[in-house]
Amino acid sequence: QVQLVQSGAEVKNPGASVRVSCKASGFTFSNYYIHWVRQAPGQGLEWMGIINPSGDRTTYAQKFQGRVIMTRDTSTSTVYMDLSSLISEDTAVYYCLRWKDSPDYWGQGTLITVSS
Amino acid sequence: DIVVTQSPDSLAMSLGERATINCKSSQPILKSSNNKDALAWYQQKPGQPPRLLIYWASTRESGVPDRFSGSGSGTDFTLTISSLQAEDVAVYYCQQYYSTPYTFGQGTKLEIK
Repeated sequence: QVQLVQSGAEVKNPGASVRVSCKASGFTFSNYYIHWVRQAPGQGLEWMGIINPSGDRTTYAQKFQGRVIMTRDTSTSTVYMDLSSLISEDTAVYYCLRWKDSPDYWGQGTLITVSS
Repeated sequence: DIVVTQSPDSLAMSLGERATINCKSSQPILKSSNNKDALAWYQQKPGQPPRLLIYWASTRESGVPDRFSGSGSGTDFTLTISSLQAEDVAVYYCQQYYSTPYTFGQGTKLEIK
């Protein structure tokens, strides 16, 4: 069955960086775009960016430009989202989701807490 | 960026009633490639990721009960739940995917009266 399994929760200090992974299974990984969306506690959904199926093209929301890098490893069917220069406002659940014809499967989410 | 605005922010309805949530985009989101509006609707329950209900404004996702329907065109869209069930208590979001960033509405919290 289709699965997107994300890495576990992390606590980071302000100014640090974090890497969240999203491992795909149950489908042809190379056929799908992968998006990242985050949700601060008690807040709505915020689109962060997208990586294309071959991994050679990314588009980021301007808000995250210069702080986020999305990559994918086809050998392990895994997508990575690196976010740097963390601040307390980056505390959120981060989701990956696949998208071809529709945004039909989401990962379970990864809670990143930024706190000193 | 395209701004997406939902109304109302919250809604309390009785079981069996019809619930309607509105979504307005700041500009048209009709894709010329397929002549469809690039709008999705999601349901999110506490502690869970969003669940896709509707895409291309009116196409129901596989497995979604047929009491959920999407309509609208241009800049104005609606999610309708024809007969509210207890399990429909959730927050509902719309999202435009016409152009990046793929912006979301602020969410509508649906409760049982």
